[in-house]
Amino acid sequence: NAGVTQTPKFQVLKTGQSMTLQCAQDMNHEYMSWYRQDPGMGLRLIHYSVGAGITDQGEVPNGYNVSRSTTEDFPLRLLSAAPSQTSVYFCASSYSRKPGRSWMPPGDTEAFFGQGTRLTVV
Amino acid sequence: GIQVEQSPPDLILQEGANSTLRCNFSDSVNNLQWFHQNPWGQLINLFYIPSGTKQNGRLSATTVATERYSLLYISSSQTTDSGVYFCAVGYVANTGNQFYFGTGTSLTVIP
Repeated sequence: NAGVTQTPKFQVLKTGQSMTLQCAQDMNHEYMSWYRQDPGMGLRLIHYSVGAGITDQGEVPNGYNVSRSTTEDFPLRLLSAAPSQTSVYFCASSYSRKPGRSWMPPGDTEAFFGQGTRLTVV
Repeated sequence: GIQVEQSPPDLILQEGANSTLRCNFSDSVNNLQWFHQNPWGQLINLFYIPSGTKQNGRLSATTVATERYSLLYISSSQTTDSGVYFCAVGYVANTGNQFYFGTGTSLTVIP
């Protein structure tokens, strides 16, 4: 049980380049999300997904795309990197509260975070 | 979104001292977690505590959801407790589990 795994841990991009940050979880969590952390600030939500095939925007979605083709994976794509996207990116996963669910999973809806990806755009 | 305020923003302690960190939030929540971000940037889950009191070793936390605040207690602090402590709150529904983070309390424990 590896939890939430993010790759790469570090990345330097040139302005205009594209890349994909990978996130995988092995806890069968329905809910996955991406956050960015800027200096002196807490984490802010970029995009999230409540299950395979379903994604939605968070607080700061501009410049990022996501997809959720499987329960396990939730990649974040930067189509044309900009210096303003220099940040530390965190992926998180948890169970969500499904209507009609007759049982509560272990830990209820506690969220687990990956180790982060430090991205620098020059 | 939900506004989250943490206090104090910065805290310097002598090793062995006790401290209380506070998290106030602006709306009803059914999800609250405390995290420790260590000097390497990792976010470590401390407590999942939407209500009530929990203890884990030298750390304990209390959330009073009706009054919209949570407290994190650190007793007999150690240098390894240094880092930033974040409170994150949210309302979990079938539409997801979105967190709103405070800006953190930066703790430095000196030997």
